[in-house]
Amino acid sequence: AQSVTQLGSHVSVSEGALVLLRCNYSSSVPPYLFWYVQYPNQGLQLLLKYTTGATLVKGINGFEAEFKKSETSFHLTKPSAHMSDAAEYFCAVEGGSQGNLIFGKGTKLSVKP
Amino acid sequence: DADVTQTPRNRITKTGKRIMLECSQTKGHDRMYWYRQDPGLGLRLIYYSFDVKDINKGEISDGYSVSRQAQAKFSLSLESAIPNQTALYFCATSDADKPGAFEQFFGPGTRLTVL
Repeated sequence: AQSVTQLGSHVSVSEGALVLLRCNYSSSVPPYLFWYVQYPNQGLQLLLKYTTGATLVKGINGFEAEFKKSETSFHLTKPSAHMSDAAEYFCAVEGGSQGNLIFGKGTKLSVKP
Repeated sequence: DADVTQTPRNRITKTGKRIMLECSQTKGHDRMYWYRQDPGLGLRLIYYSFDVKDINKGEISDGYSVSRQAQAKFSLSLESAIPNQTALYFCATSDADKPGAFEQFFGPGTRLTVL
């Protein structure tokens, strides 16, 4: 069965610093992987996704993630954090024939001025 | 206009009451989903539907029921609400016809409080 582990429920960085949010997955089939962002009092918005092809995936707002099959990881990075990046981030893997997403528990990102 | 809408956005109800959360979409997608979000637990699947006649239980369906009234409408009901159903509820859609298109599009959520 597919599963997702996000390391760190809270991450705090200074404005301008590197953002690294960790995600490891378990999947019995080649995975489809996603990162979603949830701003306060809003729904989930897709940041980026990996389906097939290039393992470095670029998303919106300067975020990118690299699919590493050998490490079963799909970590999210951004070179320079901005105050507007403060939000909760969810990693997800496609859950099988039903097409639902299996979500990690989320990582809340804080950005200090 | 938003592609996936949910009503109500906020609801406070009492234990034992029946409540319905509604979801509508204009994306033309066949697949619709209901999730609940609890702090520290992420999102968990309640029910999903591939079309009007195909409805399936998810990970945490006990205490919930659904109705797919049309391709565009998918409602979630709590027949007798209890306090541990207090949560943020999300509706989502996806397009099954696009290869690799398991991306889901989410509504804004309904915050439900059961007293």
